[in-house]
Amino acid sequence: GAGVSQSPSNKVTEKGKDVELRCDPISGHTALYWYRQSLGQGLEFLIYFQGNSAPDKSGLPSDRFSAERTGGSVSTLTIQRTQQEDSAVYLCASSTWTSGGYNEQFFGPGTRLTVL
Amino acid sequence: GENVEQHPSTLSVQEGDSAVIKCTYSDSASNYFPWYKQELGKRPQLIIDIRSNVGEKKDQRIAVTLNKTAKHFSLHITETQPEDSAVYFCAASLNDYKLSFGAGTTVTVRA
Repeated sequence: GAGVSQSPSNKVTEKGKDVELRCDPISGHTALYWYRQSLGQGLEFLIYFQGNSAPDKSGLPSDRFSAERTGGSVSTLTIQRTQQEDSAVYLCASSTWTSGGYNEQFFGPGTRLTVL
Repeated sequence: GENVEQHPSTLSVQEGDSAVIKCTYSDSASNYFPWYKQELGKRPQLIIDIRSNVGEKKDQRIAVTLNKTAKHFSLHITETQPEDSAVYFCAASLNDYKLSFGAGTTVTVRA
């Protein structure tokens, strides 16, 4: 079946502009995650959605970052007034969800964001 | 929050030799430890994981060990092959979903 997809694959923007990154999770996966991967670094947790529960936004680095998940499926990560330090690969992942269990996260190919 | 440190940052091994990557974590409450492999230009993929009630787990040529007392866990790859060349990330989790990742180890297998 289809895996997690993300668009665009690459995004170049100017400092101060807003950007939107999209994630389409695997069909039937109720959990969705956003991570940021800076050059030479590990993955940094940003935000987590599970069903209709309130999202865990504890990883968002500033109030310029926000995310939505509409209809329990597609998610959009928005970065307002982009800064050069926002340049990174933004990865989305999805999983099934079992309370008290650990669910394999399946990653998308990422969006490489470059802020000039 | 949880802090995961990973060593070494790069590792070069001769084909057929073993590779070992070590990670330490800060929060003793962490109870799930997955390892992800990311080949160049590709997405991370889970290769093996271990839970805190288990000390060791094997899957063919890869194994993971966990020392809860010392708060460290390791990935072992035996009989390395060129296709093992990739970046490997360890992670630790306190709950069902929030993973804290190490910075990654770039493994190069020399033919």
